[in-house]
Amino acid sequence: NAGVTQTPKFQVLKTGQSMTLQCAQDMNHNSMYWYRQDPGMGLRLIYYSASEGTTDKGEVPNGYNVSRLNKREFSLRLESAAPSQTSVYFCATKTDTQYFGPGTRLTVL
Amino acid sequence: GENVEQHPSTLSVQEGDSAVIKCTYSDSASNYFPWYKQELGKRPQLIIDIRSNVGEKKDQRIAVTLNKTAKHFSLHITETQPEDSAVYFCAPFVMNRDDKIIFGKGTRLHILP
Repeated sequence: NAGVTQTPKFQVLKTGQSMTLQCAQDMNHNSMYWYRQDPGMGLRLIYYSASEGTTDKGEVPNGYNVSRLNKREFSLRLESAAPSQTSVYFCATKTDTQYFGPGTRLTVL
Repeated sequence: GENVEQHPSTLSVQEGDSAVIKCTYSDSASNYFPWYKQELGKRPQLIIDIRSNVGEKKDQRIAVTLNKTAKHFSLHITETQPEDSAVYFCAPFVMNRDDKIIFGKGTRLHILP
């Protein structure tokens, strides 16, 4: 079992470029989450999905979109990247507790 | 929504001493209380949790205590070791309710030699 996987591990973008961060899980969990963690800071919730086909905003949703097309995958899209979106992005699933992916380190120049 | 606060934000203790980190929350319906440890450059990982039907849980050198009336729970680490240096997060939530899960801002624990 891979658990929660994220791709890519690292990415550098220029301001205004777009990209999609991918998250997949093989644990058959219904709930999935996207967090961002700025250097030396805590985890802030961007979006979450309670089940396939549903998504809801978290604490900091502006500048992001998400898609939950099936139970396994929950993607995060940046339509027009900004330097303020430089961060480490963690995907997580939840059953009785949360399980985190390894993270994607994104730099926007 | 849930308001979660952690104190202190930074804690330095001598190796071998004890450390205590407190988490306060606002949603009285919360019934699951986890603590996560995040080492530098790694993902958060669950180290101990407690459900609202018990007041204390212990696992070797770490323990969690819960005060539901006052809406706070605490992480206790005894006989601290260098490998305990990390950032610790709390993230209480309501089990079986699909809702946002908010993390405390974290406590950076330094173990001094």
